[in-house]
Amino acid sequence: AQKITQTQPGMFVQEKEAVTLDCTYDTSDPSYGLFWYKQPSSGEMIFLIYQGSYDQQNATEGRYSLNFQKARKSANLVISASQLGDSAMYFCAMREERSGGSNYKLTFGKGTLLTVNP
Amino acid sequence: KAGVTQTPRYLIKTRGQQVTLSCSPISGHRSVSWYQQTPGQGLQFLFEYFSETQRNKGNFPGRFSGRQFSNSRSEMNVSTLELGDSALYLCASSTGLAGEQYFGPGTRLTVT
Repeated sequence: AQKITQTQPGMFVQEKEAVTLDCTYDTSDPSYGLFWYKQPSSGEMIFLIYQGSYDQQNATEGRYSLNFQKARKSANLVISASQLGDSAMYFCAMREERSGGSNYKLTFGKGTLLTVNP
Repeated sequence: KAGVTQTPRYLIKTRGQQVTLSCSPISGHRSVSWYQQTPGQGLQFLFEYFSETQRNKGNFPGRFSGRQFSNSRSEMNVSTLELGDSALYLCASSTGLAGEQYFGPGTRLTVT
């Protein structure tokens, strides 16, 4: 069974500084995808970044980068130059990606509440 | 390209009633998944449809059902509502293969 662990219930960061949100995962599947989502208080789940298990390079999307360490089963999110609007709940998730997508579901961690201070 | 849309955004129902929620995926996406989010249980997978077929189902009672139409739009139905069904219901859209998965804004259901 898949499992996602986010050990930081809450994090604080100063505006313009970088912050790392931790995520470790457990799976026996060789092919999987890792995701990070941002959920502001409005409730919408905003896609941030995706990393496939066979991708050689770490994924980056603007100020977001995913520090993928396959051997350690870790997929930490790095946000550079934090902004006040980054204050939100952040969820790490994973999904099997077998051929045919027979078990196509996201398993989520419990989330990390990030607060950006001015 | 338009994003994932969900209707209605807010809903108030009473116990015992039934409810139908709708999700329109991103154009070209054939997979729609549904999730329930509550403060106690977090985000839980309900089911996933791909090309009108349910491919996977989570651990929810049979009161929760869904379907997908030929245009990939999906509906989720909950019958005989219980207080514990109060939650944010999110649908997610993707190609159904590897890659990104996008969520809609959610439907916030309150059961009184």
